[in-house]
Amino acid sequence: AQSVTQLGSHVSVSEGALVLLRCNYSSSVPPYLFWYVQYPNQGLQLLLKYTSAATLVKGINGFEAEFKKSETSFHLTKPSAHMSDAAEYFCAVSSTSGTYKYIFGTGTRLKVLA
Amino acid sequence: DTGVSQDPRHKITKRGQNVTFRCDPISEHNRLYWYRQTLGQGPEFLTYFQNEAQLEKSRLLSDRFSAERPKGSFSTLEIQRTEQGDSAMYLCASSPSGSGNEQFFGPGTRLTVL
Repeated sequence: AQSVTQLGSHVSVSEGALVLLRCNYSSSVPPYLFWYVQYPNQGLQLLLKYTSAATLVKGINGFEAEFKKSETSFHLTKPSAHMSDAAEYFCAVSSTSGTYKYIFGTGTRLKVLA
Repeated sequence: DTGVSQDPRHKITKRGQNVTFRCDPISEHNRLYWYRQTLGQGPEFLTYFQNEAQLEKSRLLSDRFSAERPKGSFSTLEIQRTEQGDSAMYLCASSPSGSGNEQFFGPGTRLTVL
């Protein structure tokens, strides 16, 4: 069975500082991995995805993530936080065949301090 | 492309009543998913349709829950005899066929059972 662990339910960073949101997965086969962002009262928006091509994936709004098979990790980073990055972030894993349903982590709420 | 839409956005009901939610996916997407998200948690998979066929249901989907996707277009999720534990955000997502395609999420229907 697949699972996702997001370490840190709340992360605070200063504006302009590095953002690092952690995601570790468990899967018996190489998975697809996704990061989504959720703003209050809005649906989930895709930031980036890993689908077995390049291990360093660049997404929208300056975010990127690196797939590390040896560490079973897919951490999300952004070099310089902006106030508008304050939101909840979800990491998700899916199989590479079948239904492609997502298994989500519990989310990390990012707070950006002025 | 108008995105995934869901109706209603909010529903307040009394325990024991039946409720029905609607999801309109992106028109060319043949895959449709329902998820449930409770406060402080990531979305949890409920059920999956490929065109009009319901191919997978989570054990979370008790016999009080039923979903349909007639003609492979919009989908409905009905909850009979609602319980307070059904209070949650119900999210619909769609994706095109093929491997590695991300899911596009609607804004969700927030259900409150009194």
